Amino acid sequence: KAGVTQTPRYLIKTRGQQVTLSCSPISGHRSVSWYQQTPGQGLQFLFEYFSETQRNKGNFPGRFSGRQFSNSRSEMNVSTLELGDSALYLCASSLTGRKEKLFFGSGTQLSVL
Amino acid sequence: SQELEQSPQSLIVQEGKNLTINCTSSKTLYGLYWYKQKYGEGLIFLMMLQKGGEEKSHEKITAKLDEKKQQSSLHITASQPSHAGIYLCGAARSNDYKLSFGAGTTVTVRA
Repeated sequence: KAGVTQTPRYLIKTRGQQVTLSCSPISGHRSVSWYQQTPGQGLQFLFEYFSETQRNKGNFPGRFSGRQFSNSRSEMNVSTLELGDSALYLCASSLTGRKEKLFFGSGTQLSVL
Repeated sequence: SQELEQSPQSLIVQEGKNLTINCTSSKTLYGLYWYKQKYGEGLIFLMMLQKGGEEKSHEKITAKLDEKKQQSSLHITASQPSHAGIYLCGAARSNDYKLSFGAGTTVTVRA
């Protein structure tokens, strides 16, 4: 079974631009969640989707958005990029999203210049 | 402040020695997860603990959950270079569809 796939692996953008990151969950997994990891703040929850519905959202500004498609693939978008958005963005999938282990992708390393 | 406090922040251990990492929660735990991460990469699942007093082992790694103290420990016996990395604990709350993570413990194993 293929693992969680995130694309692209690395991304360099400039301030003010927008970016879209993609995540393909493990086949059969319907829950996809996104996390941001930085040296200063650690690993922080962005949002979680299940069957195309956002069930939970972390404390991030509205510039961070996401969506999930009918095949469970998910995308997250960051508009008007700021230097502080530079981070490793991790996607995780699971069957239901509750009280079960999450399978993480390798992440997308975003650098904002 | 962090919901989950991990200690120590980092540690260096001689190959073959044991090590212990602790994770303490300021809120009620409904599940405690341990993950390992290589710098700049994704998280690898190690263990999930859901009941007070639960203890699980895999190869040379043992994790325990003390529900009363809201605390978990991860113990590695006879450490090897392959044990080097960042260890993160994550906690589930009752109605959330997310995990809150500790800041991580960086483990270095010296030959």
